[in-house]
Amino acid sequence: GAVVSQHPSWVICKSGTSVKIECRSLDFQATTMFWYRQFPKQSLMLMATSNEGSKATYEQGVEKDKFLINHASLTLSTLTVTSAHPEDSSFYICSARARTGGDQPQHFGDGTRLSIL
Amino acid sequence: GQQLNQSPQSMFIQEGEDVSMNCTSSSIFNTWLWYKQDPGEGPVLLIALYKAGELTSNGRLTAQFGITRKDSFLNISASIPSDVGIYFCAGQVYQAGTALIFGKGTTLSVSS
Repeated sequence: GAVVSQHPSWVICKSGTSVKIECRSLDFQATTMFWYRQFPKQSLMLMATSNEGSKATYEQGVEKDKFLINHASLTLSTLTVTSAHPEDSSFYICSARARTGGDQPQHFGDGTRLSIL
Repeated sequence: GQQLNQSPQSMFIQEGEDVSMNCTSSSIFNTWLWYKQDPGEGPVLLIALYKAGELTSNGRLTAQFGITRKDSFLNISASIPSDVGIYFCAGQVYQAGTALIFGKGTTLSVSS
């Protein structure tokens, strides 16, 4: 159980393109999903917290107009990198936590490697 | 903000050896989690700890939630080549929607 699917796993596109990444909880409902960014040989950096049916909460320094987050259902959150540029190239990872009561660990997707040419 | 200090940063060991890594924090956490990440993949949950003093095992892995709630360790016994990867500790102050705070990771290399 607790499977999180992330799609696509790898994207290569031209500068100026907008890219959408999907994060799905396959066998549980997730009120809250999280989006992280990871540079090579570094830890995960939280970008934003996505709450179903409400606006995402962005971390300091993360441009909300650049990284659009939509959490329209209890099993799907999307991250759209708008007008992507080479500096946006990174490994993007989502996680989800079950909506059941009590402490629940976060489960991660397999990540999306974004390469902007 | 809250930060986690994870050590060691990297380890190079022989197959069959035991491994120990730990995380400390200046703040109290309600939950400690240990994840393993293989190259090009997302982190996979290894062990979750919810109570101070809790000692939990998962196969050859053992982790403990420190009594002060400010630290945790992970031990791997009798390491094997597939243990290679990056291990992250993560702490959480539990509230609805609270994100994890991650350590910087321990890179484990195992030679056979």
